[in-house]
Amino acid sequence: RKEVEQDPGPFNVPEGATVAFNCTYSNSASQSFFWYRQDCRKEPKLLMSVYSSGNEDGRFTAQLNRASQYISLLIRDSKLSDSATYLCVAVRGGYQKVTFGTGTKLQVIP
Amino acid sequence: ETGVTQTPRHLVMGMTNKKSLKCEQHLGHNAMYWYKQSAKKPLELMFVYNFKEQTENNSVPSRFSPECPNSSHLFLHLHTLQPEDSALYLCASSQDRTSGGSSYNEQFFGPGTRLTVL
Repeated sequence: RKEVEQDPGPFNVPEGATVAFNCTYSNSASQSFFWYRQDCRKEPKLLMSVYSSGNEDGRFTAQLNRASQYISLLIRDSKLSDSATYLCVAVRGGYQKVTFGTGTKLQVIP
Repeated sequence: ETGVTQTPRHLVMGMTNKKSLKCEQHLGHNAMYWYKQSAKKPLELMFVYNFKEQTENNSVPSRFSPECPNSSHLFLHLHTLQPEDSALYLCASSQDRTSGGSSYNEQFFGPGTRLTVL
């Protein structure tokens, strides 16, 4: 089983829609979690950290469920510019054990 | 320069060549990383340095040799690579910090070096 698993998609959604991605992690020792966004042929860019209490940044909401070992990302009112691949990251042992998921591709359609 | 920079942005090399990739971070971070990203595969962590000390080596072949002369610079020396080593090589940095028993180490990536091995 992969340490971090994501549905590769693609998720094709119309502008203005709400879309949610889940990511599961297998190692319960994972301590911190992040969502990154990667545009085609570009480097990943940090979208948001995922805190135990959940956090929101504008149209984006991230949640962590330690009991079920998954994190989620909710995007409201999708924009065309949200089209990208969203990478889930789990970290354990501080900075040392960093595992990326394969990413979920989102395509927002006009 | 700000953030994380990498040079060269593109590199084509033969299997017998020796080349080096360079990464520089201007963020004052204490940890630096090398990743490999191949098509349709997740980012693979290769090496981690913290305060110039290598703390992680994820079973990377010896034809990849990292060097971290100081906390701002990281190199990846390449020697006798194989065509399957062709990929995007990404450098990242982070400031490892702990708060409330949790670690926070958001990583910031450079633009990457797209490597093609012929």
